[in-house]
Amino acid sequence: EAGVAQSPRYKIIEKRQSVAFWCNPISGHATLYWYQQILGQGPKLLIQFQNNGVVDDSQLPKDRFSAERLKGVDSTLKIQPAKLEDSAVYLCASSSDRVETQYFGPGTRLLVL
Amino acid sequence: GQNIDQPTEMTATEGAIVQINCTYQTSGFNGLFWYQQHAGEAPTFLSYNVLDGLEEKGRFSSFLSRSKGYSYLLLKELQMKDSASYLCAVFANTGFQKLVFGTGTRLLVSP
Repeated sequence: EAGVAQSPRYKIIEKRQSVAFWCNPISGHATLYWYQQILGQGPKLLIQFQNNGVVDDSQLPKDRFSAERLKGVDSTLKIQPAKLEDSAVYLCASSSDRVETQYFGPGTRLLVL
Repeated sequence: GQNIDQPTEMTATEGAIVQINCTYQTSGFNGLFWYQQHAGEAPTFLSYNVLDGLEEKGRFSSFLSRSKGYSYLLLKELQMKDSASYLCAVFANTGFQKLVFGTGTRLLVSP
């Protein structure tokens, strides 16, 4: 069974630029999550989708971050404009249901200069 | 809110046993996960406890006491490849089911 796929794996941008990350969850998984992991910290949930609907985006900085999962499968997370403090690893995870184990993708390492 | 505490770093030698503790305070507790994360890689699932007691899975065991807000991960017969961060995460229901992670414990295994 293929795991969670993410791209790109690495991205370096300058502050105030925009960036987008892509995630393809495990086949059949209805729930998709985006996490931000700053160096030395645990992952922090940004947004959770159930199929193509948003369940929880309470910790998403909506003035600069946006995410969508239009067809209930893959998802994109966008930052516009980026700030220095957005430098982190952005992890995508999926689960078969909201109460089931989450499986993580390899992450996108973002550096904002 | 939620509060999860675990030691920042631990060291141990190959072949030894190590116990990584996690204490938590949360509302709407629905279970506790342990994940392993090697440097530069994604977290991988190790264990899930929802009832009190010990769950054993090979060299790894996880314990939960809901009344004490306490869990531990026990690693036996340590190997060099066990050097990683170990993340304690609580499944909390704060209106929505959400996985809240601790900052992780970095384990260094030496020969």
